[in-house]
Amino acid sequence: QVQLVQSGAEVKKPGASVNVSCKASGYTFTNYYIHWVRQAPGQGLVWVGIINPSGGSTTYAQKLQGRVTMTRDTSTNTVYMELSSLRSEDTAVYYCARCWGVDDAFDIWGQGTMVTVSS
Amino acid sequence: QSALTQPASVSGSPGQSITISCTGTSSDFGGYDYVSWYQQHPGKAPKLMIYDVSNRPSGISNRFSGSKSGNTASLTISGLQAEDEADYYCSSYTGSGTRVFGGGTKLTVL
Repeated sequence: QVQLVQSGAEVKKPGASVNVSCKASGYTFTNYYIHWVRQAPGQGLVWVGIINPSGGSTTYAQKLQGRVTMTRDTSTNTVYMELSSLRSEDTAVYYCARCWGVDDAFDIWGQGTMVTVSS
Repeated sequence: QSALTQPASVSGSPGQSITISCTGTSSDFGGYDYVSWYQQHPGKAPKLMIYDVSNRPSGISNRFSGSKSGNTASLTISGLQAEDEADYYCSSYTGSGTRVFGGGTKLTVL
């Protein structure tokens, strides 16, 4: 079945980097955009960025520009999100989600990856 | 980009109808009719309930409906059921692949 499976929980120290993966299965990987969305504990959803798995082009939320990098590996149908210079306020569940067109809704979501930033 | 504005909470009794609003500026919605709504139960990933303002994905009950007027989108749930109790988020396409979410609304079924 169509699914996005994310990597496991991470605990990082302030200033470090984290790399979260999102492996797609059950559909043609390059036909759908992948977005990343984060949710701090008890808070709402915040859009992080988008990657086109076909060509690798990306767009990031202005607030995270310079600290977030999204890449993809078409040989393993996997998208990666790296967040650097981690701060305590980056503590959140990070979700990947797919959409068909660049303006379409997110129809399939990953299970989420908890990233905790703590000294 | 500021979040879209949603009420923090709404409540209703089983069988009743409720409406959740989602207000933004013209730049938030960007003149597009690409508003979607997501349901999120505690500890779970969000689930798509409405896309393109008023369309339901396959498998979503027709008790869920969406609309938009000007810079306010709305989600209406009719015939409230206990399992509808969850957080609901609106989202809008804002151009160049970007998105903005609402702050979320906690629905309590009394």
